[in-house]
Amino acid sequence: LAKTTQPISMDSYEGQEVNITCSHNNIATNDYITWYQQFPSQGPRFIIQGYKTKVTNEVASLFIPADRKSSTLSLPRVSLSDTAVYYCLDIDSGNTPLVFGKGTRLSVIA
Amino acid sequence: EPEVTQTPSHQVTQMGQEVILRCVPISNHLYFYWYRQILGQKVEFLVSFYNNEISEKSEIFDDQFSVERPDGSNFTLKIRSTKLEDSAMYFCASGGTGDKGTTEAFFGQGTRLTVV
Repeated sequence: LAKTTQPISMDSYEGQEVNITCSHNNIATNDYITWYQQFPSQGPRFIIQGYKTKVTNEVASLFIPADRKSSTLSLPRVSLSDTAVYYCLDIDSGNTPLVFGKGTRLSVIA
Repeated sequence: EPEVTQTPSHQVTQMGQEVILRCVPISNHLYFYWYRQILGQKVEFLVSFYNNEISEKSEIFDDQFSVERPDGSNFTLKIRSTKLEDSAMYFCASGGTGDKGTTEAFFGQGTRLTVV
């Protein structure tokens, strides 16, 4: 059972910044917060991961407040190719398999 | 960039037949997984495999399913007697190079299984 809660869908115009927020109400001390992206007919793809504060890579930024009960994935200046389902997960540092929820379906409109 | 490869990309089989889905994980990874995704639904965990044995499995992974790592490179999922409801995209994933697991898994492109 997925431990996180996130909006089912979001729409955005090209060029805008998109922020997707996830609730991690049951996050454990050892859990990392991880986001995956899935394009239609493809497997999920790792985007970014953090434990707390802010992490940035070439794809996105991840904001995690001090209490770690939520996280926000920020996609700068989205394009049509960013249309995908985005999943947030709590993952512990051991060999616990990834458990995906329903994710947030982002639709980018021209 | 190394990737997980799956074959075939699409398989059609008759109900009751056995199918074997094949995966070649990334070569230095130690943890292997199978997931499935029924059309329009979420990605569901089936089984994880480490050190030549199943480390965890879901309720979906019943006696009709089995996994094997027959050599040093392949990782297979066998469905013994397929049912119509087994029709789905099956994803293989791998990750982790040490003995403490992984928080990042690399997924293959999937095998679309259609049971008729």
